[in-house]
Amino acid sequence: QSVLTQPPSASGTPGQRVTISCSGSSSNIGSNYVYWYQQLPGTAPKLLIYRNNQRPSGVPDRFSGSKSGTSASLAISGLRSEDEADYYCAAWDDSLRVVFGGGTKLTVL
Amino acid sequence: QVQLVQSGAEVKKPGASVKVSCKASGYTFTGYYMHWVRQAPGQGLEWMGWINPNSGGTNYAQKFQGRVTMTRDTSISTAYMELSRLRSDDTAVYYCARSSPDYGDTYYFDYWGQGTLVTVSS
Repeated sequence: QSVLTQPPSASGTPGQRVTISCSGSSSNIGSNYVYWYQQLPGTAPKLLIYRNNQRPSGVPDRFSGSKSGTSASLAISGLRSEDEADYYCAAWDDSLRVVFGGGTKLTVL
Repeated sequence: QVQLVQSGAEVKKPGASVKVSCKASGYTFTGYYMHWVRQAPGQGLEWMGWINPNSGGTNYAQKFQGRVTMTRDTSISTAYMELSRLRSDDTAVYYCARSSPDYGDTYYFDYWGQGTLVTVSS
């Protein structure tokens, strides 16, 4: 059972905007930064968002992150077929560990 | 370019130990922390801990304390993760991943190794 809660699946059609939620608590999201990773099938995760809403260089601005209280969300606009992947949120927890969400499988219909 | 190249797949028996390596290139090895994250088949990600390659200092997740040892060899820019007393539920892909040592940036991972599958089976 993951400390951060994500929906197991999400879907959208090409060009659509999709959001993925991540719910935590005061000991993680509520008091620390949120990070998002994309994992394509059979590959290592890739950093998408750091410090709640910052994108590393090379990550398209179609990806955006936000945080409010003990929840966060990842938005993907202009959905493309290559966005089909698993998405994980993460945060530092005050119990002295990095915690992850269980992952959301995004399907592009 | 930054690269983290891990050692190959391992098959171990319950109770044995495994040591996975992660060779870094393209950056100053001692300037960044190295974390280890694992992923059981079809499951999510689980953080195991980090090592500071500069000092050798470590920080292990409580779940793994007593069973995991993270070390490094700065002469060859390589980090190691050894897990002992293996059980079947340790079967997973183990990833090394780099982070900045700077306050506020220590707990996200900007580069990852390709992963090493460790299978624990009798």
